[in-house]
Amino acid sequence: DTGVSQDPRHKITKRGQNVTFRCDPISEHNRLYWYRQTLGQGPEFLTYFQNEAQLEKSRLLSDRFSAERPKGSFSTLEIQRTEQGDSAMYLCASSLVGLDPQGGTDTQYFGPGTRLTVL
Amino acid sequence: GQNIDQPTEMTATEGAIVQINCTYQTSGFNGLFWYQQHAGEAPTFLSYNVLDGLEEKGRFSSFLSRSKGYSYLLLKELQMKDSASYLCAVRSVMDTGRRALTFGSGTRLQVQP
Repeated sequence: DTGVSQDPRHKITKRGQNVTFRCDPISEHNRLYWYRQTLGQGPEFLTYFQNEAQLEKSRLLSDRFSAERPKGSFSTLEIQRTEQGDSAMYLCASSLVGLDPQGGTDTQYFGPGTRLTVL
Repeated sequence: GQNIDQPTEMTATEGAIVQINCTYQTSGFNGLFWYQQHAGEAPTFLSYNVLDGLEEKGRFSSFLSRSKGYSYLLLKELQMKDSASYLCAVRSVMDTGRRALTFGSGTRLQVQP
């Protein structure tokens, strides 16, 4: 399978604990995005990387959230001191800046997500 | 900012045709995407429009009118497996230069026998 993968698929944690999620993008893709999705809503942008550089962070991303993409391949999203309001599906997407035969440049392809439940 | 509207729910019959509408308001428009999302799964890319007109891909077609801020997704010969949420997403060029993808809340389609 050469799609975007995420690990873990599900995470249950207690309030106040730290959690880390991993995303492996499609191998030739140079951009990687993190989104958060709650029930009945579309995904909301959190942050994105071009290669290893984190180029933008949403105002949704509080100081408790940090993301890295150290070698320009996989990325991690860490949430410190989790709160119940952090419960959501965390989605990763990747894209290629350049010609994408299917959807034009920068079409985003999503991974299966990590569902976080904070008790 | 961006504003994207699409119906919350729709119901259709197996074998029929359904049209899911999406209206949007944005500056720096750079394309419109439709994604399909089954419950608990990731959004799957369906179609992309950047110019006015109809794009056809098998049973799925997507239409765009940039002057009207309007798009629709047309699903033909509906199958039970088409029951899912359909997300309209508008790409815009932000002040930062980033091409941002903003999603609507999705239309939950239920296909009945």
